[in-house]
Amino acid sequence: DTAVSQTPKYLVTQMGNDKSIKCEQNLGHDTMYWYKQDSKKFLKIMFSYNNKELIINETVPNRFSPKSPDKAHLNLHINSLELGDSAVYFCASSQGVREVLIGSDTQYFGPGTRLTVL
Amino acid sequence: GQNIDQPTEMTATEGAIVQINCTYQTSGFNGLFWYQQHAGEAPTFLSYNVLDGLEEKGRFSSFLSRSKGYSYLLLKELQMKDSASYLCAVMDSNYQLIWGAGTKLIIKP
Repeated sequence: DTAVSQTPKYLVTQMGNDKSIKCEQNLGHDTMYWYKQDSKKFLKIMFSYNNKELIINETVPNRFSPKSPDKAHLNLHINSLELGDSAVYFCASSQGVREVLIGSDTQYFGPGTRLTVL
Repeated sequence: GQNIDQPTEMTATEGAIVQINCTYQTSGFNGLFWYQQHAGEAPTFLSYNVLDGLEEKGRFSSFLSRSKGYSYLLLKELQMKDSASYLCAVMDSNYQLIWGAGTKLIIKP
């Protein structure tokens, strides 16, 4: 009964390929996120969705496209993979707008997907 | 710009106490979080401070001084399983989390 799950856990692929990472949460949360954690361990937010609508879209190449079919899922599709895309990608979810306004929104992270581009 | 500073690495002895500091400069402040991240795993929530003072939760305590832009995480009675990275994150005025790079804590027997 994993709260936030991601698949796959490991992804090794060639430059130029297109790949997807899936994320699902069963916490009933309204908001979901994608983070990238690079080799220096900085966590950088990429996208945030609230009830299937994009609310944060940081400076991320157009090759990255999030898809939210429903509020329990936020998938990340990456086109034309580059060497610099190699990182660990974390999905997270949180309760949502009300808690954000209060400023106490705790995020729950998925296990991460280690992407290696060769 | 926005900035979160934490020491890169700290070493402590099993059974001892360690304090991990975090200083921040952000556009606005809506609370400070501490997360624990074991190697190869996802970050997990430890604490949240929005008012000045000390919040105690078992062996872990977190302190905040908003006027100084400063927080610390205090870990008591250290156990080997506490070896992990500890991430400080601040929620800014846009309710976005700004993350520090984390402090790698090494516990020695």
